[in-house]
Amino acid sequence: NAGVTQTPKFQVLKTGQSMTLQCAQDMNHEYMSWYRQDPGMGLRLIHYSVGAGITDQGEVPNGYNVSRSTTEDFPLRLLSAAPSQTSVYFCASTLGPGANTEAFFGQGTRLTVV
Amino acid sequence: RKEVEQDPGPFNVPEGATVAFNCTYSNSASQSFFWYRQDCRKEPKLLMSVYSSGNEDGRFTAQLNRASQYISLLIRDSKLSDSATYLCALRGLIWGLGTSLAVNP
Repeated sequence: NAGVTQTPKFQVLKTGQSMTLQCAQDMNHEYMSWYRQDPGMGLRLIHYSVGAGITDQGEVPNGYNVSRSTTEDFPLRLLSAAPSQTSVYFCASTLGPGANTEAFFGQGTRLTVV
Repeated sequence: RKEVEQDPGPFNVPEGATVAFNCTYSNSASQSFFWYRQDCRKEPKLLMSVYSSGNEDGRFTAQLNRASQYISLLIRDSKLSDSATYLCALRGLIWGLGTSLAVNP
């Protein structure tokens, strides 16, 4: 049971480049989310999804797109990377927004935009 | 007011000390609570769930106070390896900023 698999672990981008962070879970969780974590800021929600075909914006969505074509996958796209997007990104999943269950995290992606 | 608030610390304690963190929440209807541990820039990992009656796991004790709307985490006999950031979470969806703990020799 792999849990939440997130790739890549590290990435360096040039300003203006685009890329996709991959996230997959094999627990049949309905709810998936993307966070960014910066020093002293805690986990900030970028986008989330409550099921296949349904996505919504979180606290800091600008500059990012998501899609949820399957229950398992929830990729995060950076459209045109900016230095302000240098951060550590975490994907997480949980059984459902109304369920009283824990969240599981991917290992994180450390992104540097130069 | 943020839905979840934590004292960010840092807490600096000597080995063997007892330390406690609190996490206050604003939604009185909140049902499930968790404590997570996060090592430097790694993913948060579940430390323990918080049950209404309180629960203990070795040196760690979690408590819920619904009347005052906070949860607590008590660590007894602190070890160097307990140095980390401790995050509280509601329903696995709402996160505190985390409390930083440094246990010193």
